[in-house]
Parts: sequence; C-alpha cells; structure tokens
Amino acid sequence: EAQVTQNPRYLITVTGKKLTVTCSQNMNHEYMSWYRQDPGLGLRQIYYSMNVEVTDKGDVPEGYKVSRKEKRNFPLILESPSPNQTSLYFCASSDRTGAEQYFGPGTRLTVT
Amino acid sequence: AQSVTQPDIHITVSEGASLELRCNYSYGATPYLFWYVQSPGQGLQLLLKYFSGDTLVQGIKGFEAEFKRSQSSFNLRKPSVHWSDAAEYFCAVGGNNQGGKLIFGQGTELSVKP
Repeated sequence: EAQVTQNPRYLITVTGKKLTVTCSQNMNHEYMSWYRQDPGLGLRQIYYSMNVEVTDKGDVPEGYKVSRKEKRNFPLILESPSPNQTSLYFCASSDRTGAEQYFGPGTRLTVT
Repeated sequence: AQSVTQPDIHITVSEGASLELRCNYSYGATPYLFWYVQSPGQGLQLLLKYFSGDTLVQGIKGFEAEFKRSQSSFNLRKPSVHWSDAAEYFCAVGGNNQGGKLIFGQGTELSVKP
C-alpha cells in the first residue's frame, strides 16, 4: 500500500530540547515536503526536497532543519524548539509531475 | 504571487441542502488543483483533483468541482450534504516541476445543521 508514515504522531516537549520528526515514503518519489498547519492559515510549506541531498526552503523555514540522505526518508529537525512552533505538521511526497500527492497522518507538536 | 483564497472561513448548511465552497487561485503556470477534507483530529483526505481535460471533476463522497480558467476558480460542490460532511475543507494549487509544492488556502470549516 502506498503510504507516507510519520513518527511520532503526538509530541509534547519543552523549549530548547532538540527533537526530530521522522517521515518515510514507500513510493520511490523524488519530491518530499514538510508543511505546518495553523488555524486560519491553512498549510504552509516549511522545506522541500527534490532528491537525495537536494533540499530547499519553503515559505516558513526559520527554526527548522531537514536532511535527505536516503530517498525514502525526510526527517524534520527542530534543534531548539520554541512555543511558536506548536503546530500540526504534515510530511508529503509526490512524483515528479506534482500530480500525485501523498500526505502523512500528521504530527501534533506542543512546545511548552 | 502565487496564492489560494477561500473567501468563506465558516459555512453552515442544513442536512440535505446543496453546498458550494469557493476557491480562487493565482498561479503563474498551468495549475494542478486539489480539494482536501480534514475531519477533526484527522489527517488530510483527497477529495478530487484537476490537471487537464474535462473541467468538471468528480470526486469521492459525492463531491464535484468545476475549473473555470477565466475566473481562476475551482469551486467545490455537493448536491445534498450529509451530517458526516462536517469538516474543514482545503483548496490547494500546484504545478508541474514545482518540487511537488502545494499552496493551500486558509480552509473553510463546514458545519451541518440537522
């Protein structure tokens, strides 16, 4: 079954404690993205990757890092989380055309 | 600038009534258009998408959407709403060779009255 998985699904942490949210896809897609969802703002792209070792900033990259060492994985790293990063995060993958989009189930992050 | 506007933040309809959710976009290239639904506490579910061809697109759960290039719109419709349709709906636009990026609207929350 084609899918994007994310872990953890829920996370409560404290300001400044580094964390990583993992994302994995099994469709051999070149493109992967991270989005955050906030009330009234929809989803906004944080970072994206067009292939292994190729990443670029999206619309709201501040405070986040990513890496793409393998095609299937695209972890999101918050090195020093702050309360304004409390949000719902989605990982997505797509084929080269952008026509086939798959989203993970989401990770709800709370930073206190 | 590329953007998606969903003018209605919240809509309430009676069960059995028809529904239309509006979506307007601004996009420099040929757009790919999507509608997603998100139930409370859940992830995103794709309702339908448009790439080319017939401008009236059928989706799941009885939804359809019509692409109108002249109006830069992609409105979502359903002839008869069910209580289970209560959710938040997102319109999104993307394009070919855009790194898979989607630009989302702010969302429209749908409430259904019995």
